[in-house]
Amino acid sequence: AQSVTQLDSHVSVSEGTPVLLRCNYSSSYSPSLFWYVQHPNKGLQLLLKYTSAATLVKGINGFEAEFKKSETSFHLTKPSAHMSDAAEYFCVVSDRRSSASKIIFGSGTRLSIRP
Amino acid sequence: GAVVSQHPSRVICKSGTSVKIECRSLDFQATTMFWYRQFPKKSLMLMATSNEGSKATYEQGVEKDKFLINHASLTLSTLTVTSAHPEDSSFYICSASGPGGSSYNEQFFGPGTRLTVL
Repeated sequence: AQSVTQLDSHVSVSEGTPVLLRCNYSSSYSPSLFWYVQHPNKGLQLLLKYTSAATLVKGINGFEAEFKKSETSFHLTKPSAHMSDAAEYFCVVSDRRSSASKIIFGSGTRLSIRP
Repeated sequence: GAVVSQHPSRVICKSGTSVKIECRSLDFQATTMFWYRQFPKKSLMLMATSNEGSKATYEQGVEKDKFLINHASLTLSTLTVTSAHPEDSSFYICSASGPGGSSYNEQFFGPGTRLTVL
């Protein structure tokens, strides 16, 4: 069985400071892991994905995430927050064994940016 | 590449009427499409999975007679909310995956449809 836990429902940082959004997963098999961003009343945009290649994954808009198997974590980071980063972020896990299988969404983390 | 569209983006209807939402993969063949529902400030809840040419598989608790899903072609899936009621008001999001557009179970999401039932 798979599951994903986003440890913080809300994170608030000042503009220009680092961002850390935490995600832990549980998977019986090798997982694929994704981070998506959703701006208000919009669809989901893929930020980055881990699919068994490099454990440090770089995404769009300066975001990156590191897959740590020993910690079952896939935390999302960004060195310097921008006002446009304010949005809802979802960590997602999928089982790589089968194609087109269901994906499991975390509960989401709302990121607020203070001027 | 891998663009998914939804139509309409927003719909308001009267209670008791039916509403159809379309989901299209614009530049790839989607062998599997997924329909999600999102309540305000909540995560996405998977409603059903549909494979082209076969019946959709509904998640537990989702009424298949209420939410009709058709996946007649490799680029189009439709969700029809039948006899809609105010409690059906929500943000509905589709996604698609397929051999031509994804790997490692990546799903490509549509922009969503905001349904308001009066």
